Amino acid sequence: DSGVTQTPKHLITATGQRVTLRCSPRSGDLSVYWYQQSLDQGLQFLIQYYNGEERAKGNILERFSAQQFPDLHSELNLSSLELGDSALYFCASSPGEDTIYFGEGSWLTVV
Amino acid sequence: GENVEQHPSTLSVQEGDSAVIKCTYSDSASNYFPWYKQELGKRPQLIIDIRSNVGEKKDQRIAVTLNKTAKHFSLHITETQPEDSAVYFCAASAYSGGGADGLTFGKGTHLIIQP
Repeated sequence: DSGVTQTPKHLITATGQRVTLRCSPRSGDLSVYWYQQSLDQGLQFLIQYYNGEERAKGNILERFSAQQFPDLHSELNLSSLELGDSALYFCASSPGEDTIYFGEGSWLTVV
Repeated sequence: GENVEQHPSTLSVQEGDSAVIKCTYSDSASNYFPWYKQELGKRPQLIIDIRSNVGEKKDQRIAVTLNKTAKHFSLHITETQPEDSAVYFCAASAYSGGGADGLTFGKGTHLIIQP
C-alpha cells in the first residue's frame, strides 16, 4: 500500500458525461500528480499541483481540469467524455522530494 | 519538453539470465531517473532510481547506470526470477526542490521470464 488513495476504483459512464476522480495523497505529501494510462499511450503526465498551486502541466486536454484543495486532496474532472478517454487514471504524490508514489488507479470506461 | 525513448518494447529471457532495458532522454536539465515496475492492472511501483550526480546504483539484483553525456540510462536485472515478469517503465524529470516536475515516462518494456 503506497498510502495514496483514489476513488472510485471503477467507473462506467456514457459519452458526453462528466466525472470526477478523487485522490488523497500520502500524509504530509505536498505534491499531487495525475497520469493517464491507456494501452497505446503508456503513462501520460497530465498535471501536477504543489501545496494547492498548479506547478506543471503535461498533455492535459481542455475538457479535463484539476485542483488541489487546502487539505491537499485533489480532484480530476473529466467532461464531455469520449470513448478514447477510457483509461486507467493514476494519482501520485510526493513529499516535495523527487520520489513519486502512485495510487491504485481509477478505471474509467466510457461507453 | 522532455522525450524519453525506451527499448526494447518486449524482452524475453530465460530464468536465471540477465535482462537489460535501455532508455534515452532529450532534456539536458533532467536530473532524476526512476524505474518503475508495473504488474497487470496494478500501480507502478518504484524499484530503483538514480540522480544525475552518480553514474551507477545497485540494489541486490537490480542496478541502474547513467551516462549524462550520452543522455541514456539503463536498468540491469541479474539472476532473473519468474516474479520479475512485468512491465518496466523508465522516466526522467527535472527536480528543483519542490517535487519532481512531472515525470516523463518511456513507453514501457514487457519483460517475460521463461522458465
